[in-house]
Amino acid sequence: DAMVIQNPRYQVTQFGKPVTLSCSQTLNHNVMYWYQQKSSQAPKLLFHYYDKDFNNEADTPDNFQSRRPNTSFCFLDIRSPGLGDTAMYLCATSRVEGSTEAFFGQGTRLTVV
Amino acid sequence: AQSVAQPEDQVNVAEGNPLTVKCTYSVSGNPYLFWYVQYPNRGLQFLLKYITGDNLVKGSYGFEAEFNKSQTSFHLKKPSALVSDSALYFCAVRDGGNAGNMLTFGGGTRLMVKP
Repeated sequence: DAMVIQNPRYQVTQFGKPVTLSCSQTLNHNVMYWYQQKSSQAPKLLFHYYDKDFNNEADTPDNFQSRRPNTSFCFLDIRSPGLGDTAMYLCATSRVEGSTEAFFGQGTRLTVV
Repeated sequence: AQSVAQPEDQVNVAEGNPLTVKCTYSVSGNPYLFWYVQYPNRGLQFLLKYITGDNLVKGSYGFEAEFNKSQTSFHLKKPSALVSDSALYFCAVRDGGNAGNMLTFGGGTRLMVKP
C-alpha cells in the first residue's frame, strides 16, 4: 500500500497560473519534505516541516510556498510558475531521528507551458 | 558542510556480471549514509543505509554496500546484475552529529544493464 501519495502524478499548467501539488502520508511521520528534481539530477530540497514548524531553504524562490494543515497532508503552492519550474516535484516523509530513511512519494511531474 | 560525490554519470554492465556504483562523502560528524534507486517517472525508493555497526550492509533486491571510513566511501554493489536493475541510483549522506541536518544527495549514477 502506498504510504506517501502525491496528486496529481502529472500536471500541465500555463505560465503564470497558480498551481497546487498535494502530498499525503499514512506513516504519521513528523517531518515532511518537498524536493524539486530536474532532468534526472539530484533532488533539491525546497523546504521541510518538522511538525508545524516550517523551514525554508535559503535559495528557495519566494514563488514557492507550502502549507501543512495537519500531520497527514502537505501542499506545495507555486504562485506564478515560470518555464524554469518545469520539473518533477517529490514529497518525502521521515521520523525526526537522523538515522531513519526518508520515504518518497511517486512524484508529480509538472510542465509549465 | 556535508557533500556527496558520485564520480560516474553512467555505469554499464552485462547481465549476470557484478556491479559497483561508487560514492564518496564528506561530513564533519558521524556519517549516516543511504542509497536510493529511481525508476523513470517515479519517486526515490530506499535500498539500504549505514548508521553504525558492520561495515557491510545488505539491502533490498540483493544490493549491498560497504562503508569504508578511511576512504570515506560507501560503494553500492551487487554480485549479479539484472536487466531490471537499470535505473538511476542516488547516494545520500546526513551528518549524524547534527540533529537538524538534512539529507544531501549525490548527483546520481545511471546504471545500464545489458542482456
